[in-house]
Amino acid sequence: DQQVKQNSPSLSVQEGRISILNCDYTNSMFDYFLWYKKYPAEGPTFLISISSIKDKNEDGRFTVFLNKSAKHLSLHIVPSQPGDSAVYFCAATAPLYNNNDMRFGAGTRLTVKP
Amino acid sequence: DGGITQSPKYLFRKEGQNVTLSCEQNLNHDAMYWYRQDPGQGLRLIYYSQIVNDFQKGDIAEGYSVSREKKESFPLTVTSAQKNPTAFYLCASSTRQGGRPLAPNYGYTFGSGTRLTVV
Repeated sequence: DQQVKQNSPSLSVQEGRISILNCDYTNSMFDYFLWYKKYPAEGPTFLISISSIKDKNEDGRFTVFLNKSAKHLSLHIVPSQPGDSAVYFCAATAPLYNNNDMRFGAGTRLTVKP
Repeated sequence: DGGITQSPKYLFRKEGQNVTLSCEQNLNHDAMYWYRQDPGQGLRLIYYSQIVNDFQKGDIAEGYSVSREKKESFPLTVTSAQKNPTAFYLCASSTRQGGRPLAPNYGYTFGSGTRLTVV
């Protein structure tokens, strides 16, 4: 069962423009959401997170928005840079999962063109 | 520097052979995990361990085995029973404070991965 979905396998944007990556989830028990960035042949690195008590979290060029009623979150990157080109994973977790914590989406490959 | 180390980075296995992937962490994390990544799919949980000498099956444990004899180490064996073992394998560890996950990254740290290819 795919409880976290990233329906766009790829996204291409021009340098300097906004990148918007989307993520949907089905489990209403999820209360914490994370975005990871992953380069080929490397492990994911943490990017930004948001708790379900908030609807927005910002860190520099990265902003995550959470719409609980729609069970949707998005990652905005402004301005996009070529170094942002990577695969981005959305992840979610719920209290009941305990130490079986994370559910991951399939990832979106972002390409930022110079 | 504290971190989590996976070795080797690339591994080739002949069909019918077992192979063991190494994962070592010096972060003093209690929990450790093994994930598998395939193209077009998210990270899928194979096994996890919350404490030494204890581990639990994840979503796709068939054909895999693990051990947790030391807090620092969580090796994964891909057995010949695993029908499609070619994939990218990621190890992770996590910690909690007062029983609660740590913000902002939920206390999760990933290794750099091992790419296993069956030849």
